[in-house]
Amino acid sequence: KAGVTQTPRYLIKTRGQQVTLSCSPISGHRSVSWYQQTPGQGLQFLFEYFSETQRNKGNFPGRFSGRQFSNSRSEMNVSTLELGDSALYLCASSLGQGGRETQYFGPGTRLLVL
Amino acid sequence: AQKITQTQPGMFVQEKEAVTLDCTYDTSDPSYGLFWYKQPSSGEMIFLIYQGSYDQQNATEGRYSLNFQKARKSANLVISASQLGDSAMYFCAMKSEKAGANNLFFGTGTRLTVIP
Repeated sequence: KAGVTQTPRYLIKTRGQQVTLSCSPISGHRSVSWYQQTPGQGLQFLFEYFSETQRNKGNFPGRFSGRQFSNSRSEMNVSTLELGDSALYLCASSLGQGGRETQYFGPGTRLLVL
Repeated sequence: AQKITQTQPGMFVQEKEAVTLDCTYDTSDPSYGLFWYKQPSSGEMIFLIYQGSYDQQNATEGRYSLNFQKARKSANLVISASQLGDSAMYFCAMKSEKAGANNLFFGTGTRLTVIP
């Protein structure tokens, strides 16, 4: 079974631009979560989608948004980019939302904002 | 709220030796799960092992075992027979087992270096 895939793997943007990142979960997985990883803040939860609905949201400004499609693929959008948005963005999928569900991560998208 | 603490920023281990990576946690949830992930320099987070708070036995997965001490709120990862490929960042994480709570809380990680 193919793992979680993320595109693109690398991105360079300038301040004020917007960016869209894509995540395809493991086949059959219905939950997709997004995390931001920076040297200063570590790994932080952004949001989770399950059955096309946002179920959980972390403490990030409204510039960060996402959506999930009927095939469980998910996109994350960041508008009006700031230098501090430079990070590794990781997507993870799990079968469901149960607490014992293991999240499997993709390779991440490295975003650099200049 | 959940909190994970990893007090070892870096650890060194000789190849073929065992190593323990420390993890303590804090939560008010009665039911929760604890996870360990490995992150090589490529960036991908690789799932290693899971322990449920009500599991009676410590989890094991190949060379990985989790030393779970619930009263002490610790969930240390033990890697036996270290290999050069084990050099990576290791993250301890937890999440509540409440319905609908699927977000992981991570520690700051431990960088493990395996010495030949």
